[in-house]
Amino acid sequence: QVQLQESGPGLVKPSQTLSLTCTVSGGSISSGGYYWSWIRQHPGKGLEWIGYIYYSGSTYYNPSLKSRVTISVDTSKNQFSLKLSSVTAADTAVYYCAREKLGWFDPWGQGTLVTVSS
Amino acid sequence: QSALTQPASVSGSPGQSITISCTGTSSDVGSYNLVSWYQQHPGKAPKLMIYEVSKRPSGVSNRFSGSKSGNTASLTISGLQAEDEADYYCCSYAGSSVYVFGTGTKVTVL
Repeated sequence: QVQLQESGPGLVKPSQTLSLTCTVSGGSISSGGYYWSWIRQHPGKGLEWIGYIYYSGSTYYNPSLKSRVTISVDTSKNQFSLKLSSVTAADTAVYYCAREKLGWFDPWGQGTLVTVSS
Repeated sequence: QSALTQPASVSGSPGQSITISCTGTSSDVGSYNLVSWYQQHPGKAPKLMIYEVSKRPSGVSNRFSGSKSGNTASLTISGLQAEDEADYYCCSYAGSSVYVFGTGTKVTVL
C-alpha cells in the first residue's frame, strides 16, 4: 500500500526558509487521481491544512499561509516538497504529508517536528 | 477560514455511546458533503475514520459512524472501548480548493 515519509531539517533559524520533502512509496504520484498535501500541528494543538499539489503541478494553499508557502512536485523521484519562508517560532510544529482525494486525507506520513529557534 | 468548532473533551464508560459534534458554517460543513473524521493517538499520525460525512474506510470498526445536519457534523462511537481513547478531528472542504480542520476533541474512556 501507499506510504509517505517526511524528511528535512528538524531545526530552522528564525527568518529562514523551512524545507521538507515527502517521499511516496507503493504508488506513483504521476498516476493521478490524488492531491498530495501538507498539514501541520502546533505542539499540543489542532491540525492546520497548509496546501496541496497535483502531479501536474497545480497548487492550492491555505489563504493564511499563501504568501509564504510553496509546494512543488518531482515526479521522477516520486516526491513532493514544502517550502515555508520567513519562519518564526509560531511555525514550530509537527509537519505531516498526506494523500488527499475528495476531502479525505489518507494515508499520512509519520510526521516530522520542525523547531524554529536561533 | 476559521477552524471548525468541536467540544474540547467528551467522556464515556466502556460500552456506552458518545457523540462528537463539529460545527462550521454555511460556507463549509453546510455546503459540502466532504466532511471527514480522524483519530489521533498520542505521538502518532492521524488516522482516517470517516469520509464524505458517513462512509467508513475498509478496516475501520462499524462502531464508528458519521452524520450531518445543517452546519454541524457528528461522529458517534458506539460500544466505547479503551482503545478509542484518543483525540478526534473533523475536517471539511470550504470551497475554492481549501480545507479546514476542527479544533479537536479529547475522548476519555472512564
